[in-house]
Amino acid sequence: GESVGLHLPTLSVQEGDNSIINCAYSNSASDYFIWYKQESGKGPQFIIDIRSNMDKRQGQRVTVLLNKTVKHLSLQIAATQPGDSAVYFCAETLKTSYDKVIFGPGTSLSVIP
Amino acid sequence: DAGVIQSPRHEVTEMGQEVTLRCKPISGHDYLFWYRQTMMRGLELLIYFNNNVPIDDSGMPEDRFSAKMPNASFSTLKIQPSEPRDSAVYFCASSLARGYTFGSGTRLTVV
Repeated sequence: GESVGLHLPTLSVQEGDNSIINCAYSNSASDYFIWYKQESGKGPQFIIDIRSNMDKRQGQRVTVLLNKTVKHLSLQIAATQPGDSAVYFCAETLKTSYDKVIFGPGTSLSVIP
Repeated sequence: DAGVIQSPRHEVTEMGQEVTLRCKPISGHDYLFWYRQTMMRGLELLIYFNNNVPIDDSGMPEDRFSAKMPNASFSTLKIQPSEPRDSAVYFCASSLARGYTFGSGTRLTVV
């Protein structure tokens, strides 16, 4: 179904450590997943995406893992920096409506210098 | 490219007034989306267009909300009459294929 906003989970990490942000999705018809980063006062910004026929994709300092068996998505950020502090959203699209992106509730990442 | 441009950045209006939010998508993008963001409900898709034609408006909360896209470079979201519960940040996004680019949003406060 459609995502509904909940109390925002928060993750605090020390600068230089790796961060892992998790996301669960419920619709088995979802076939494309995206991670977005939203800094305060700005719109969400694309980070990385992954199709359902993949289980891992790497970008610059970021890796997305997809486990379709348990409907779980994660974003790993290597060597977390203060500039990574933001709210991170996972988003999904359905096979039947690939241009309609549905956002999860988001996770707030706070980096401790 | 200047990205997706939204105006105004902030809008404060009294309950019952008409509000019009504006969006200029990235040139060449054929999809345009309107989202609303609140702490309670997160990011909600209101409506989206493809080649200026509305494709899905199932997220539009009530008849008080309407959206238009008269040409490829401009879209409006109108609320008439506005209510305090419409207070939120409204985002416009555009895309070509599967990459969304969001604008900076319009923070609407209805008092």
